[in-house]
Amino acid sequence: AQKITQTQPGMFVQEKEAVTLDCTYDTSDQSYGLFWYKQPSSGEMIFLIYQGSYDEQNATEGRYSLNFQKARKSANLVISASQLGDSAMYFCAMRGLNAGGTSYGKLTFGQGTILTVHP
Amino acid sequence: DVKVTQSSRYLVKRTGEKVFLECVQDMDHENMFWYRQDPGLGLRLIYFSYDVKMKEKGDIPEGYSVSREKKERFSLILESASTNQTSMYLCASQRQGASRRKEQFFGPGTRLTVL
Repeated sequence: AQKITQTQPGMFVQEKEAVTLDCTYDTSDQSYGLFWYKQPSSGEMIFLIYQGSYDEQNATEGRYSLNFQKARKSANLVISASQLGDSAMYFCAMRGLNAGGTSYGKLTFGQGTILTVHP
Repeated sequence: DVKVTQSSRYLVKRTGEKVFLECVQDMDHENMFWYRQDPGLGLRLIYFSYDVKMKEKGDIPEGYSVSREKKERFSLILESASTNQTSMYLCASQRQGASRRKEQFFGPGTRLTVL
């Protein structure tokens, strides 16, 4: 079984500053993938960034980077130079293997963190 | 532009009604998913399908059923809606394959209220 924990229900950040959204996970799989999605108030889920458990470097996508600490089982999202449009709900998710050794790609999601960017 | 569409953005139904939520994707994806989203609980998987006419229960299938008669369409059915099924319902699709990197593409969601 897999579990994702996001302990910050809400976060506030000043425009142009950096913010870190926490994510810890629990899995017995040796190989897995971690995702971050953004959900604006309009409701659609937007894929932001992916980190594989065997990737040697932390993932980066523009202003998004993933602080991956495998030993601590954490995969925190860092948003640099926050913008007003970054205000949204953010979800951490993971994909591993099921008992049969195959995956139909199920994702396990955390509870989400609401980020509010102040001008 | 890849697209997942859901039949309604907002839906209001009465207790005991049969409710159909439709999802269509135009990416020729094999895998499709239905989630419900509730405050403080994140997204929870209800059912998923890895091929036409194939389905698997997710984490919270009770009170729901699904249908996948065509590759592009995945329907969620509430046989007898109850107030505890008031929620946001999200459909997603993804391509088949061994890569763990493949992302899921989501529809805009249906906010269902059961009175």
